[in-house]
Amino acid sequence: GAVVSQHPSWVICKSGTSVKIECRSLDFQATTMFWYRQFPKQSLMLMATSNEGSKATYEQGVEKDKFLINHASLTLSTLTVTSAHPEDSSFYICSAREEGNTEAFFGQGTRLTVV
Amino acid sequence: LAKTTQPISMDSYEGQEVNITCSHNNIATNDYITWYQQFPSQGPRFIIQGYKTKVTNEVASLFIPADRKSSTLSLPRVSLSDTAVYYCLVGEGGGFKTIFGAGTRLFVKA
Repeated sequence: GAVVSQHPSWVICKSGTSVKIECRSLDFQATTMFWYRQFPKQSLMLMATSNEGSKATYEQGVEKDKFLINHASLTLSTLTVTSAHPEDSSFYICSAREEGNTEAFFGQGTRLTVV
Repeated sequence: LAKTTQPISMDSYEGQEVNITCSHNNIATNDYITWYQQFPSQGPRFIIQGYKTKVTNEVASLFIPADRKSSTLSLPRVSLSDTAVYYCLVGEGGGFKTIFGAGTRLFVKA
């Protein structure tokens, strides 16, 4: 199957700083990318959907000014957690889909810990 | 978006066949059914996808009745390494939002 690479796998940052997470589709063009957040023992919660070259569409309750998403190319989307706080600590996962394909491929996730 | 309902958890023993059923009463005509597997601290991994009847690949089978209001993921002869959370998703192919339900936590015992 297609490969989606997420970087970094884990990150620890100080409260008040910003963190950027990258999501790359390695062998296909991802016209649509999705960002999720997952807390321990819970399911994945969709945060936003981004289409290449367009502004991201955020799910209800997700602060777009706090979670900045950029999908500037067909192989790269980034999620920036701005002014991170301990409650933002979570497992962040991206997925990508190629236009016309019914299957979404997931990255390996990024464990964010804010101290 | 169609909502899915799965059992919260299931236990099995090594070598047994495991069937996990998912209900999706509001499935739309254009919706596909996709199953993912997730291990702790990893992203979900695609298992199988289908639209109707039966689909089989090297790791699982997916049974979908004619009314498509449910589907059953069948894992033949599970092993300890199949212990994971399994998610059933329903959505329109080609551009749907992948909304995850609660998933089924499968625990395989020796």
